[in-house]
Amino acid sequence: ETGVTQTPRHLVMGMTNKKSLKCEQHLGHNAMYWYKQSAKKPLELMFVYNFKEQTENNSVPSRFSPECPNSSHLFLHLHTLQPEDSALYLCASSQDRQPPYEQYFGPGTRLTVT
Amino acid sequence: AQSVTQLDSQVPVFEEAPVELRCNYSSSVSVYLFWYVQYPNQGLQLLLKYLSGSTLVKGINGFEAEFNKSQTSFHLRKPSVHISDTAEYFCAVRENYGGSQGNLIFGKGTKLSVKP
Repeated sequence: ETGVTQTPRHLVMGMTNKKSLKCEQHLGHNAMYWYKQSAKKPLELMFVYNFKEQTENNSVPSRFSPECPNSSHLFLHLHTLQPEDSALYLCASSQDRQPPYEQYFGPGTRLTVT
Repeated sequence: AQSVTQLDSQVPVFEEAPVELRCNYSSSVSVYLFWYVQYPNQGLQLLLKYLSGSTLVKGINGFEAEFNKSQTSFHLRKPSVHISDTAEYFCAVRENYGGSQGNLIFGKGTKLSVKP
């Protein structure tokens, strides 16, 4: 596997379920990100991890819980979600210690909350 | 505050015609600029980037963009589009603080629709 991978690609869950999204990067990057992409809204940055430490939480509701066990893996644990949480969740990684600083994105997980 | 404006939400164009997708940003510090493309049901792919140096940057798939500091713009252009260029295009800006960078801030995206 190369680049940034995400599993599952599609997920349907009820409001009382608990599920997790997984992201893995094979690029040797130090930073990883979770974004939410909803229809008709700009990409929303949710969480940032740098060398496994969370450096940013953009006022994300506590029903979203991130976990970064190492620099290559990132999880997003989901519980008691709302229908408005249905969206495409994108993971990204970057090497921030030197240019060019661009982020590499995974294919996303399409989440539907019923 | 840092922000990115993509003036056109949708751009329809005929195949082999030229296209320009507009992007303007606001920032009080120097910035790094990026264009990403998103095909249906996929993640974002980097098209090109401007970090420093020549203001005209070339990217993949025949796209290019020009950084204009005085107009705080970074418009994306392609001289002749193909059906396969149909996708959503995102402009993004990252502030440069010297030893560190800010978060990547995205515009709302422009949907390019290429018609035969």
